[in-house]
Amino acid sequence: DGGITQSPKYLFRKEGQNVTLSCEQNLNHDAMYWYRQDPGQGLRLIYYSQIVNDFQKGDIAEGYSVSREKKESFPLTVTSAQKNPTAFYLCASSMRSSSSPLHFGNGTRLTVT
Amino acid sequence: AQSVTQLGSHVSVSEGALVLLRCNYSSSVPPYLFWYVQYPNQGLQLLLKYTSAATLVKGINGFEAEFKKSETSFHLTKPSAHMSDAAEYFCAVSFFSGNTPLVFGKGTRLSVIA
Repeated sequence: DGGITQSPKYLFRKEGQNVTLSCEQNLNHDAMYWYRQDPGQGLRLIYYSQIVNDFQKGDIAEGYSVSREKKESFPLTVTSAQKNPTAFYLCASSMRSSSSPLHFGNGTRLTVT
Repeated sequence: AQSVTQLGSHVSVSEGALVLLRCNYSSSVPPYLFWYVQYPNQGLQLLLKYTSAATLVKGINGFEAEFKKSETSFHLTKPSAHMSDAAEYFCAVSFFSGNTPLVFGKGTRLSVIA
């Protein structure tokens, strides 16, 4: 079945360490997205990519980095510069059309202590 | 500025009662509109979408939504709530640019009381 796989489901890190969250899709979608979710704040866009080797900052890109070397993969690195990294992170993908819905992975819950 | 507003961060209904979750958008041009549902510790699942065909859109799990251009609204309804409907619901809008990601509302948590 086609879908989006995020791994791991739960991730624990010490403060000051970089950590990379994995996102893979086999839907043949061009566009991929990373959102951060905190209680009561909805979904906030971190980065998105419409095509391989190109990506754009979202609303809260500071302290995060991404790469898009393959169509299927869009990993997110949470750097030590991110002041409050503990959150639920969601990856999504879609076709490049404004009428296309986003398909979401099941998320990674990151806890930094 | 283009935005999406969901009225009420938490809605509580009795089992069997009508569910009404509100969503309003601000745009001079009718956008594409979506409703998603999220169960705890999971990703978002598409419930339904409006893409300028019929104004009344039917989705999964018995939900439907009506696009009202004059009110810039896209409220989600279900005639009879079930315990399994308890979840968080997000309204999202695409403002007609293929290069602009969806804009999400802040979500409404639905509780269903037995």
